[in-house]
Amino acid sequence: DQQVKQNSPSLSVQEGRISILNCDYTNSMFDYFLWYKKYPAEGPTFLISISSIKDKNEDGRFTVFLNKSAKHLSLHIVPSQPGDSAVYFCAARPMDTGRRALTFGSGTRLQVQP
Amino acid sequence: DAGITQSPRHKVTETGTPVTLRCHQTENHRYMYWYRQDPGHGLRLIHYSYGVKDTDKGEVSDGYSVSRSKTEDFLLTLESATSSQTSVYFCAISRGTQANYGYTFGSGTRLTVV
Repeated sequence: DQQVKQNSPSLSVQEGRISILNCDYTNSMFDYFLWYKKYPAEGPTFLISISSIKDKNEDGRFTVFLNKSAKHLSLHIVPSQPGDSAVYFCAARPMDTGRRALTFGSGTRLQVQP
Repeated sequence: DAGITQSPRHKVTETGTPVTLRCHQTENHRYMYWYRQDPGHGLRLIHYSYGVKDTDKGEVSDGYSVSRSKTEDFLLTLESATSSQTSVYFCAISRGTQANYGYTFGSGTRLTVV
């Protein structure tokens, strides 16, 4: 049973427009959420995170929104750039005393068209 | 950034043979993880470690074992490789309890079992 779901395998947007990537989760015990970006032949890299006590976190062109009641988070990229083309994974960390292994979604491939 | 190296980068092996993948870090981080990436499944946790000789199973641990005899090295062994273990394997380290640090991933090992 997937606890973290990314239902859109791919997304294509025009350069300069907004990209919105979505993620849903089922486990109420997650207390931290993260987004990672992955280019081909490289490991994923950390992008942005949000605590469950917040509903928004912003870092430059990237904003993550969290709706706890809907168990939904989204990543907004504004404006989108061709270099943003990559696979994006959302991840969640369970509330725990110390074992902090992340659970990842299946990823969304973003293509930004010039 | 923490240096994290995976070896080998690519490997082709025959069904039934044992295979060991190595993850090496140059900093003294306690937490290390092994994930596999497969299309449609994202990143799935195989095993993780919270220190020397302290390891635990993840969601897809069947057919895999790990060892951590030194802080800097985390080894993943496929005792008898099967075609279903063809995948890209990523090692990750975590900077401890700071949730927003997330993970730092290695560049991955592409394993093909024929």
